[in-house]
Amino acid sequence: GAVVSQHPSRVICKSGTSVKIECRSLDFQATTMFWYRQFPKKSLMLMATSNEGSKATYEQGVEKDKFLINHASLTLSTLTVTSAHPEDSSFYICSARGGLRDYEQYFGPGTRLTVT
Amino acid sequence: GQNIDQPTEMTATEGAIVQINCTYQTSGFNGLFWYQQHAGEAPTFLSYNVLDGLEEKGRFSSFLSRSKGYSYLLLKELQMKDSASYLCAVMDSNYQLIWGAGTKLIIKP
Repeated sequence: GAVVSQHPSRVICKSGTSVKIECRSLDFQATTMFWYRQFPKKSLMLMATSNEGSKATYEQGVEKDKFLINHASLTLSTLTVTSAHPEDSSFYICSARGGLRDYEQYFGPGTRLTVT
Repeated sequence: GQNIDQPTEMTATEGAIVQINCTYQTSGFNGLFWYQQHAGEAPTFLSYNVLDGLEEKGRFSSFLSRSKGYSYLLLKELQMKDSASYLCAVMDSNYQLIWGAGTKLIIKP
């Protein structure tokens, strides 16, 4: 089946620093990638949608200058949390679409970000 | 607006059957998904329904009625490992997934 990897799985950083999270589709070309964040006991919240080679489309209320998304190739998208603050601590999950079953989103394992 | 409703929490007994309901109101419909999510992990795909009726896959079945804006996920022969959150999501006319808040299923021995 289609596999999506995410790196790192856990990261702790200090307030004011930036953190980059990578999302890779390992065995298929991802025409579209999605970035979600999830707070404890809450559902997924879509942050942005990115298509390879074009700018990401951000959801209302998501600061594009704070959450930088780059979808440089059909297998890689990155999310950079700039000038992180404790309230950015969350579970960040990417997903990718573009496998054999194009309607399906394949999720990465998620990244637990803790900002101290 | 777009809305997905599912119960917040359900409890069932090991070996029993449980049905998790989902109702939706969305702008357009391109299919309904069920995902399973264990605590601290990413969601995993369970099922996809785009036509009315029942789709069976092992111990799990998913039903859809588009006219009623209704779906359910049926889990049979419950096992302790089925304790998880079950997320209902609908793909709207823009091919965006609209997510429900999830149903936390607790399995008791």
